[in-house]
Amino acid sequence: NAGVTQTPKFQVLKTGQSMTLQCAQDMNHNSMYWYRQDPGMGLRLIYYSASEGTTDKGEVPNGYNVSRLNKREFSLRLESAAPSQTSVYFCASSEHGGLAEAFFGQGTRLTVV
Amino acid sequence: EDQVTQSPEALRLQEGESSSLNCSYTVSGLRGLFWYRQDPGKGPEFLFTLYSAGEEKEKERLKATLTKKESFLHITAPKPEDSATYLCAVGNAGGTSYGKLTFGQGTILTVHP
Repeated sequence: NAGVTQTPKFQVLKTGQSMTLQCAQDMNHNSMYWYRQDPGMGLRLIYYSASEGTTDKGEVPNGYNVSRLNKREFSLRLESAAPSQTSVYFCASSEHGGLAEAFFGQGTRLTVV
Repeated sequence: EDQVTQSPEALRLQEGESSSLNCSYTVSGLRGLFWYRQDPGKGPEFLFTLYSAGEEKEKERLKATLTKKESFLHITAPKPEDSATYLCAVGNAGGTSYGKLTFGQGTILTVHP
C-alpha cells in the first residue's frame, strides 16, 4: 500500500522556470492538500481540495496553481519560480477533510536559484 | 481566519522529566483537532484526533486533551526516541472553509539521556 506518493523528491530550478509537483494517493480519499514547510514556520497551507472537483486557496497561494485531476491526483504548479519558493513541499490526503486524519507524502525538497 | 499557535517553540527535557506542549486555536467551526509527530526529513505522522472539549486520548507516554480554546500534549517520563517536532492542526467545518486543515508552527522536543 503506497499511501501518498509525491514526485519528484528533489528539484533545483532556476528563477523563472516552471514545474509541476505531482501527488497521487491510493486510499480513495476525498480531500487533498498541498503545504510548504520552512524552518520555524510549521506547515503552511497553499491550496486544498475538499472533494473531487473543488479547489480552494490556503494561507499562501500566490505564485502557485493546482489541479485536482481526478480523485487520486492533485498537482501543484509553479509558473515562474522565485527564490522565495525554496522550501519543502508536502502533499496530504484525508478521507474527510478536517474530520479524519491526514496522511502525508515524503515531501519534495525544492531549491530555486 | 483559522489560527493555531503552539508553545513553546522548543523544549529540552531530561529523560524521565514529564512536561506538556500547548496548542491554542481559533477556528470558525471545529471538525477535529489533530496531533502529529514529525521526524527530520520525513512527513508528519498522525498521533491523535480529538473532536470535543473534555475528550482525552492516550498512546504510550503521550496523552492529548482538548478544551474549547486549546489542547495539551502531555509527555510522561519521555525517552530520547520521543525527540521530534510535534505539530497541532485544526480541521474546519464552516462554510467556505469546509475541509480546511490548518497547522501550527510546531514544538521541537529534545529529550536528553
